[in-house]
Amino acid sequence: DVVMTQTPPSLSVAIGQSVSISCKSSQSLVYSDGKTYLHWLLQSPGQSPKLLIYQVSNLGSGVPDRFSGTGSQKDFTLKISRVEAEDLGVYYCVQATHFPWTFGGGTKLELK
Amino acid sequence: EVQLVESGGGLVQPGRSLKLSCLASGFTFSNYGMNWIRQAPGKGLEWVASISSSSSYIYYADTVKGRFTISRDNAKNTLYLQMTSLRSEDTALYYCARRGFAYWGQGTLVTVSS
Repeated sequence: DVVMTQTPPSLSVAIGQSVSISCKSSQSLVYSDGKTYLHWLLQSPGQSPKLLIYQVSNLGSGVPDRFSGTGSQKDFTLKISRVEAEDLGVYYCVQATHFPWTFGGGTKLELK
Repeated sequence: EVQLVESGGGLVQPGRSLKLSCLASGFTFSNYGMNWIRQAPGKGLEWVASISSSSSYIYYADTVKGRFTISRDNAKNTLYLQMTSLRSEDTALYYCARRGFAYWGQGTLVTVSS
């Protein structure tokens, strides 16, 4: 199984600060079609997960451009520029290239 | 508007069975693969099973293989998860999600306890 190592497990940030979350996979996430099925989700408190970024760097519908995703092969990063209060919650990376699909352990974003 | 509404959760004794449903609306259900993903209380997300649009391809997590069965009825716009031989470790909020993770239901809680 592909192991997704997500760091840090938690972040405490001030409004307006920028943060990055890392997600590393135990094997390449490039699928046979050439695409990389690495996505980022945000689960706000008490809510279902929401898609932020799909296929490494594509913004989900309605997601503000303060969010950006980069990376390739086995190393990926989610960046949040100018954190806002609505950004708090738990962020997950997930790989859907190899079955079984696997999630990172999550990064809890808290506000200072 | 895309909607996914799960139902069928509840309290069940270990070893018993339960069947979850996910009613889809707002999109052409038969065109999309669907997934079940669960979240144990206070824990992270765990992929459970996936089914392709025409049910030709089905995949399971090792933790549920042989006990859970994913299926769909495209005429009824409904996704199912038949769960048998339930264990305490199956206790979780079960979400259905459309292919690509862009749409999720609100989840249905399954509690396995005597």
